[in-house]
Amino acid sequence: DAGVIQSPRHEVTEMGQEVTLRCKPISGHDYLFWYRQTMMRGLELLIYFNNNVPIDDSGMPEDRFSAKMPNASFSTLKIQPSEPRDSAVYFCASSLYATPAFFGQGTRLTVV
Amino acid sequence: SQKIEQNSEALNIQEGKTATLTCNYTNYSPAYLQWYRQDPGRGPVFLLLIRENEKEKRKERLKVTFDTTLKQSLFHITASQPADSATYLCALDSASKIIFGSGTRLSIRP
Repeated sequence: DAGVIQSPRHEVTEMGQEVTLRCKPISGHDYLFWYRQTMMRGLELLIYFNNNVPIDDSGMPEDRFSAKMPNASFSTLKIQPSEPRDSAVYFCASSLYATPAFFGQGTRLTVV
Repeated sequence: SQKIEQNSEALNIQEGKTATLTCNYTNYSPAYLQWYRQDPGRGPVFLLLIRENEKEKRKERLKVTFDTTLKQSLFHITASQPADSATYLCALDSASKIIFGSGTRLSIRP
């Protein structure tokens, strides 16, 4: 398996634009996590899914953020509208039975 | 409030020595604790998991201890090498969520 695949690797967008981050988890994994990492706040859990169902989205910072998992092999994290403070590295991770987590390479988002 | 604290933001040690990293937590009751390594520009990579009923776990030059009374885990790298330089993150489970500490940046000087 190629591991968790995220796209794009880098995204630069203007404030107010919609941003969509994509993730393909490891085949067979039943948990999918979205994290955000910044220098100030470290690695924060935004939302996680179990068997494609969102279980806990309490880490999603605002209504501007939304996540979907339409099937077992694909998830998206959308920010609309984007703001400069959303600039961070966004990681997707997947796991079997919730732990341990296998991370993708991340998407570095810059909102100008 | 719930906290996971990695006491040293950065640690610099001489090659060949043992590096010891600390992870403390409050107001959690984890069933297990994990350690990850993160290199610049990459995602965290899982290293070791230790369960609440285990005192110690080893993997090659790595050793992890878990004291649920002290609410603390220690992560040791013996015979450290410059290639061990990275950020190390501890993580624990909370209702199927994996919550991470802020990490310790370890530098091994030749």
